[in-house]
Amino acid sequence: EPEVTQTPSHQVTQMGQEVILRCVPISNHLYFYWYRQILGQKVEFLVSFYNNEISEKSEIFDDQFSVERPDGSNFTLKIRSTKLEDSAMYFCASSESRAGSTDTQYFGPGTRLTVL
Amino acid sequence: QKEVEQDPGPLSVPEGAIVSLNCTYSNSAFQYFMWYRQYSRKGPELLMYTYSSGNKEDGRFTAQVDKSSKYISLFIRDSQPSDSATYLCAMSKGTNAGKSTFGDGTTLTVKP
Repeated sequence: EPEVTQTPSHQVTQMGQEVILRCVPISNHLYFYWYRQILGQKVEFLVSFYNNEISEKSEIFDDQFSVERPDGSNFTLKIRSTKLEDSAMYFCASSESRAGSTDTQYFGPGTRLTVL
Repeated sequence: QKEVEQDPGPLSVPEGAIVSLNCTYSNSAFQYFMWYRQYSRKGPELLMYTYSSGNKEDGRFTAQVDKSSKYISLFIRDSQPSDSATYLCAMSKGTNAGKSTFGDGTTLTVKP
């Protein structure tokens, strides 16, 4: 069964450093998403991406965040200057067409980001 | 007030029990309702989605939406130890389920 993959599974970084989280969505999917989940808190939407541009973003997704689809398979989330409060699980998801129809959003296993 | 309220539990039931998981919401603009299951150290897995009031059944799972009361439920019949997980409700305002608002999740343990 096809699945969304994410690397690394755990990333430790120093405050102020840049990190790039990587995702490989399911190959025939067109919509891509990033969510985060701070430990003990709810899953929060960050951004959705379609046709090489951001479709929607939340208030969390400020200028420190960016997303990119650098090639035909990868989808990345970059945090330019990490803060302690960026420590969280980051989930990538993808769906075949516009979510909200009958399509399922498939989530990856997540990357645990720890900012020291 | 949170837009989506979900009792975090934990909830513990014996194998075979019927489980009822619930969420309430305050924003009447929510139109699309989802239930996810999340195992420890894994990403959320979509179990069911509904777009209207009423019931939707899928195997042992039934999702129920009451828009007039702003209340959604997930029922699990004949619960199994493998159902032990955190269950997340989520909802969105339109057709873009990507911009979803999640509940805090309810941790369920089904004891053999």
